Amino acid sequence: EAQVTQNPRYLITVTGKKLTVTCSQNMNHEYMSWYRQDPGLGLRQIYYSMNVEVTDKGDVPEGYKVSRKEKRNFPLILESPSPNQTSLYFCASALLTSGTDTQYFGPGTRLTVL
Amino acid sequence: GENVEQHPSTLSVQEGDSAVIKCTYSDSASNYFPWYKQELGKRPQLIIDIRSNVGEKKDQRIAVTLNKTAKHFSLHITETQPEDSAVYFCAASPYNDMRFGAGTRLTVKP
Repeated sequence: EAQVTQNPRYLITVTGKKLTVTCSQNMNHEYMSWYRQDPGLGLRQIYYSMNVEVTDKGDVPEGYKVSRKEKRNFPLILESPSPNQTSLYFCASALLTSGTDTQYFGPGTRLTVL
Repeated sequence: GENVEQHPSTLSVQEGDSAVIKCTYSDSASNYFPWYKQELGKRPQLIIDIRSNVGEKKDQRIAVTLNKTAKHFSLHITETQPEDSAVYFCAASPYNDMRFGAGTRLTVKP
């Protein structure tokens, strides 16, 4: 089944404890992206990747890191999480390099930072 | 950078009525405008999209219009049904990034 998967789905952590949220797609898509969703603010893009080893900042990249070493995986890293990073996170992928195509979203990861 | 504004934030209609959601964007370089529907507790899913070389696109009960001069685009849902109740997001893509509006919560009353 063609899909985008994220793990974990739920995570409660404490300030300053490094964490990684994994994202994987099995559709051979070129483009992958991370978003955070907060009430009243919609979806805000954190980072995106147009291809392996190519990543770029989105609208709200501060406090996050990403890597794209393989086409199918695009992990999101929070080196020192803070309470303002408590949010619902979505990973997405699209067929085209530019991302100007249907983006398929993962199921979401709800992160709470205490 | 691109800024997308979406109105209204909430919209309530009677079943069978039409619903219209409007978005404006700021970057004239934007050339791709998707609309996503997000049901409660679920992931966003694309319902329709339009590119800057097209003025209107229809898919059954859903249509999107684009006015490049005024930098605004709209989603039109006709003959609304209770299952249309969800949050709808517009978005604009100027280069390789994607900027979303804040969302519209649509409620269709039976």
